[in-house]
Amino acid sequence: GAGVSQSPSNKVTEKGKDVELRCDPISGHTALYWYRQRLGQGLEFLIYFQGNSAPDKSGLPSDRFSAERTGESVSTLTIQRTQQEDSAVYLCASSPDRDNYEQYFGPGTRLTVT
Amino acid sequence: EDQVTQSPEALRLQEGESSSLNCSYTVSGLRGLFWYRQDPGKGPEFLFTLYSAGEEKEKERLKATLTKKESFLHITAPKPEDSATYLCAVQAKVSGGYNKLIFGAGTRLAVHP
Repeated sequence: GAGVSQSPSNKVTEKGKDVELRCDPISGHTALYWYRQRLGQGLEFLIYFQGNSAPDKSGLPSDRFSAERTGESVSTLTIQRTQQEDSAVYLCASSPDRDNYEQYFGPGTRLTVT
Repeated sequence: EDQVTQSPEALRLQEGESSSLNCSYTVSGLRGLFWYRQDPGKGPEFLFTLYSAGEEKEKERLKATLTKKESFLHITAPKPEDSATYLCAVQAKVSGGYNKLIFGAGTRLAVHP
């Protein structure tokens, strides 16, 4: 079946602009995660959604970062007033439920802030 | 503080030369250890989950093992198509029971013919 999809695949933006990244999880997956991966580094947790529960925002690096999810479907990650240090690959993952630990990742959005 | 350390950072092997990748972890309340493979420009691809010390999982030329402090990913007779970055992650119990993965920086494996 269809996997996790993300758009755009690449985004180049000027410093100070806002960007919106989109994630479509696997149908039926209630849990959704956003991660950031800087060049040559591991994945850094940003935010986690589980069903209609309040999201775990503990990984968001600053108040310029926010994310929303409508029910158990699409999620958007918004970065306001982008900075050069925001340049990274942003990965989205989903899993069937909070007790299923296997996460399935999308291809990522490569964000470049100039 | 929960932490995952992978070694080596990079590994170059000749085709057929077996080796092991290491993942050391310190975590309170381990709920699972995961291995992922990541190809350039792609998201991580799930390989294995290990839940308790002594557990082993195998898939083709890969075998993952787990102790109380570390996990190994053994690669037997590797082929060039095994070249990728291998990521280790642990899932710890956090407040509210949320399942958050803590990733290591990965091992970049290059297998040459």
